[in-house]
Amino acid sequence: ETGVTQTPRHLVMGMTNKKSLKCEQHLGHNAMYWYKQSAKKPLELMFVYSLEERVENNSVPSRFSPECPNSSHLFLHLHTLQPEDSALYLCASSRGSPNYGYTFGSGTRLTVV
Amino acid sequence: QKEVEQNSGPLSVPEGAIASLNCTYSDRGSQSFFWYRQYSGKSPELIMSIYSNGDKEDGRFTAQLNKASQYVSLLIRDSQPSDSATYLCAVPSGSARQLTFGSGTQLTVLP
Repeated sequence: ETGVTQTPRHLVMGMTNKKSLKCEQHLGHNAMYWYKQSAKKPLELMFVYSLEERVENNSVPSRFSPECPNSSHLFLHLHTLQPEDSALYLCASSRGSPNYGYTFGSGTRLTVV
Repeated sequence: QKEVEQNSGPLSVPEGAIASLNCTYSDRGSQSFFWYRQYSGKSPELIMSIYSNGDKEDGRFTAQLNKASQYVSLLIRDSQPSDSATYLCAVPSGSARQLTFGSGTQLTVLP
């Protein structure tokens, strides 16, 4: 499999649930990103990992917890979410610097009920 | 001033016409610029990148960059209904740790 793969594609969870989003890239990139895209709003950066080290945490609530065990895998652990967290969550990777652009995964459509 | 600004649209053009999408950015030190296309319910897809002043052509798409005026544009020639999507402009942030995206321009090509 090539490119950036995200699972699951769709997720419905209750406010008391704990779930995880998974992202895997097969491009040999060494930077990975989580973005949130809500309806009618621009892409919002959540986290940046470079060489498995978190280099940006864009004031994201602690109910979102990222994990990057190696340069190919990125997780977003979710717990006690709110309905306003319902959105499309996008993972992206890049070749070190974003000056080369990103490759996005297909996204996880999250609905919090 | 927002770091990356785009007209949100919607922009409607007839099939076969030229669609013109514009983007302005605030960081004069930016060196690379990207256009992404996002179909409804899908993830963004990179369609053009440009690094130097002037025009860059790829098929029906032309990216234009003017660093002095801090704008980048995307022209789509012979627009097709399949070009109907939201087009996102992206520029590396000042720290160059991530791309900053505009809010996108929604394009509709009418058959």
